[in-house]
Amino acid sequence: DGGITQSPKYLFRKEGQNVTLSCEQNLNHDAMYWYRQDPGQGLRLIYYSQIVNDFQKGDIAEGYSVSREKKESFPLTVTSAQKNPTAFYLCASSIRTLREKLFFGSGTQLSVL
Amino acid sequence: GQSLEQPSEVTAVEGAIVQINCTYQTSGFYGLSWYQQHDGGAPTFLSYNALDGLEETGRFSSFLSRSDSYGYLLLQELQMKDSASYFCAVRVPIYNQGGKLIFGQGTELSVKP
Repeated sequence: DGGITQSPKYLFRKEGQNVTLSCEQNLNHDAMYWYRQDPGQGLRLIYYSQIVNDFQKGDIAEGYSVSREKKESFPLTVTSAQKNPTAFYLCASSIRTLREKLFFGSGTQLSVL
Repeated sequence: GQSLEQPSEVTAVEGAIVQINCTYQTSGFYGLSWYQQHDGGAPTFLSYNALDGLEETGRFSSFLSRSDSYGYLLLQELQMKDSASYFCAVRVPIYNQGGKLIFGQGTELSVKP
């Protein structure tokens, strides 16, 4: 079955540490996205990519970095510059002609130790 | 700026009909989408309206009025499993980049027996 896989489900970060969240899709979608969700809040766009080797900043990109070396993969690194990283992180993908319909992974809960 | 407004909570009884409203103020507009998210889970796509009018998908319907910058999600024959958060989302244009999807804060629906 096609879908989006995020790992790990739970992640803990120490002060000053960079951590990387994995996102892999086998839906053959061109576009991929990272959203952050805080408790009781909506989803805020961190980064998105419409094609391999290209990505753009979303609304809250500071303290985060991404890469898109393969169509299937869009990892997110939460750097030590992100001072408030505790949140639920959601990866999504879509076909280019229907960006309103996102397919989401099951998310990664990141907490700070 | 971009903003989407929806009620934070709605409560209804099993078997009833409930309407969740969404008003938006955005610089540009491609369409209005709705997503459902159960607690701790991934959001799932419910519907999309690009043009004015009503779209029906089973027990769920979605309406859009572009002139009023307003839409709603209508849930009929409510079931306990419909208890979840519901998000409206608008795709707004970004020059030469196909647009991005921005989300409202979400409406928590509680269905009572």
